[in-house]
This record gives sequence, C-alpha cells and structure tokens, in this order.
Amino acid sequence: EAQVTQNPRYLITVTGKKLTVTCSQNMNHEYMSWYRQDPGLGLRQIYYSMNVEVTDKGDVPEGYKVSRKEKRNFPLILESPSPNQTSLYFCASSLGTGGSGYTFGSGTRLTVV
Amino acid sequence: SQQGEEDPQALSIQEGENATMNCSYKTSINNLQWYRQNSGRGLVHLILIRSNEREKHSGRLRVTLDTSKKSSSLLITASRAADTASYFCATEKIGYSTLTFGKGTMLLVSP
Repeated sequence: EAQVTQNPRYLITVTGKKLTVTCSQNMNHEYMSWYRQDPGLGLRQIYYSMNVEVTDKGDVPEGYKVSRKEKRNFPLILESPSPNQTSLYFCASSLGTGGSGYTFGSGTRLTVV
Repeated sequence: SQQGEEDPQALSIQEGENATMNCSYKTSINNLQWYRQNSGRGLVHLILIRSNEREKHSGRLRVTLDTSKKSSSLLITASRAADTASYFCATEKIGYSTLTFGKGTMLLVSP
C-alpha cells in the first residue's frame, strides 16, 4: 500500500531532550515536506526537500533540523525541544512540483513539558 | 505565511444538502488543491485544479477556480454524515516548490 509512515504517533518529552521523528515513504516520491499544525494557525511548513541531499526552509524552520540522505526517508530533528514546539506534526510527500497531490502521514502529536 | 483563506470557518448542514466552501489566495499560482482532514488525522488529497482550468469534477466534488478573482470554491453535493471533517485549500505558487495551506473550514453534516 502506498503510504507515508511517521513514527512515533505520540510523544511526550522534556525540554532540551533531543528527539527525532521519522518519516518514510514507499512511493519513490522526490518531494517531501514537514508541517506543523496548531489551533488557529492551520498548517505551517517547517522544511521541505526536493530530492536527496536537497533541503530548504519553510515558514517556521527555527528549532528544527532535517536531513535527506535517502529518497524514502526524511527525519525531523528537534535538537533542544521547547514547550512552544508542542504541536501536531505531519510529513508529506509528492512526485514533485507541477501538479501532484501530496500524500500525508498520520501525524505525530508531540508534547514538550 | 498563509496563502489561502477559507470561508466560512465553520459550516453546519443536514445530510442530503450541498456544502460550499470558498478559498481566496493572494499570489499567482500553478495549481490549487483541496484536502480533507478527519479530526486530528492526516490530510487526504481530494482534488487538484490547475491555473488554466476553470472547473473540475470528482464524484460528488466540484471545484471551480477564478484566477482573476484569486478564488476557488469546493462544492460537495448530497452531503453525508461521513463528510464531516475539516477542509483545506492549498496553493502551489508560481516559481515555488511548496504547498501553502489555509486555515480550513470545519464541516459538520448532521444525520
């Protein structure tokens, strides 16, 4: 089944403890992206990647890192999480620009205390 | 930055009625897409309309695009309780490789 898989689904952590949210897609998509969703703010893009080793900042990249060493994986790294990073995170992938819909993962609900 | 803005923010209708949601955006686009999200779950792609298209259909969905007014509408005909969800428009701007989402319309369809 074509899908984007995020792990973990839920995560509670403490301020400052580094964490990684994994994202993997099995559709050979070139484009991958991370979003966070907050009440009243909608979905905001954190980082995106147009291909292996090519990443770029979205609208809210502060406090996050990403890497794209393989086409299928696009992990989101929080080096020193803070409470304002408590949010619902989504990974998405698509064939690329020019008219392809995105496939979203099921989301990771992160709480930083 | 928010590119699309949906209207209304919330919509409540009865089963069998039609639901219309609108989206306005600010800059020139390659395409506009509509997504559905069920309560905290991942978004599901519904339909994509390119900037050179004016109308598109998919099952009970009808999307229109007016690039002169920078607006789009999503019509769901003969709504069902299972259509209860949040609906988001998203735009891919010319010259950019990213998709920018609006804040969504919450649709409640009552049996």
